[in-house]
Amino acid sequence: QLVLTQSPSASASLGASVKLTCTLSSGHSSYAIAWHQQQPEKGPRYLMKLNSDGSHSKGDGIPDRFSGSSSGAERYLTISSLLSEDEADYYCQTWGTGIQVFGGGTKLTVL
Amino acid sequence: EVQLLESGGGLVQPGGSLRLSCAGSGFTFSSYAMSWVRQAPGKGLEWVSGIDGIVGSTYYADSVKGRFTISRDNSKSTLYLQMNSLRAEDTAVYYCAKDTDFDSRGSYPPTLFDYWGQGTLVTVSS
Repeated sequence: QLVLTQSPSASASLGASVKLTCTLSSGHSSYAIAWHQQQPEKGPRYLMKLNSDGSHSKGDGIPDRFSGSSSGAERYLTISSLLSEDEADYYCQTWGTGIQVFGGGTKLTVL
Repeated sequence: EVQLLESGGGLVQPGGSLRLSCAGSGFTFSSYAMSWVRQAPGKGLEWVSGIDGIVGSTYYADSVKGRFTISRDNSKSTLYLQMNSLRAEDTAVYYCAKDTDFDSRGSYPPTLFDYWGQGTLVTVSS
């Protein structure tokens, strides 16, 4: 079964960096994913597509502070030089045969 | 500029029906699979349904199969979601989403989403 697992919460200080993790279920380590950001009271925004080899393509207007990387079944989103506006929920997404799957989301708090 | 604009949400009684619309602009609508995703109050994102660009193959989450119908009118660049037999647990903000991959044949199922609408709220309550 295709499942994406995310930690429910993370925190980091203003100006620091944070690395969020999305883990693919067993047997699905080659899958690409997307990262989406959802700021409070707003709709989701696409950040990037992240492949199993770590290559990624970002959405329109996404700053260089956002980057992605991969290791095995793990997919990472790194945000550097944290701003207050980065405080948001972050979701990973992938797809299978006729289905779409979202992770449970990570709530990022910027201290 | 890609834009997706949902409409049609509102308050409906359990067992009732509602039809959502999503108007797309700024891209060749028929060349992209489209999807509906919902978010219940205080919860995460849940995929609801998807449709390819031209052939019309449709896909549904188990939670809505047999009750919801996705469709599209490429001449109007509009995506629809017909929701019947609504339940309290269908209460959510419904978003439409555009696929990342250009598909000239219009036959590929949805993959990843690169644009989202602003959402429309559906409340199922008596």
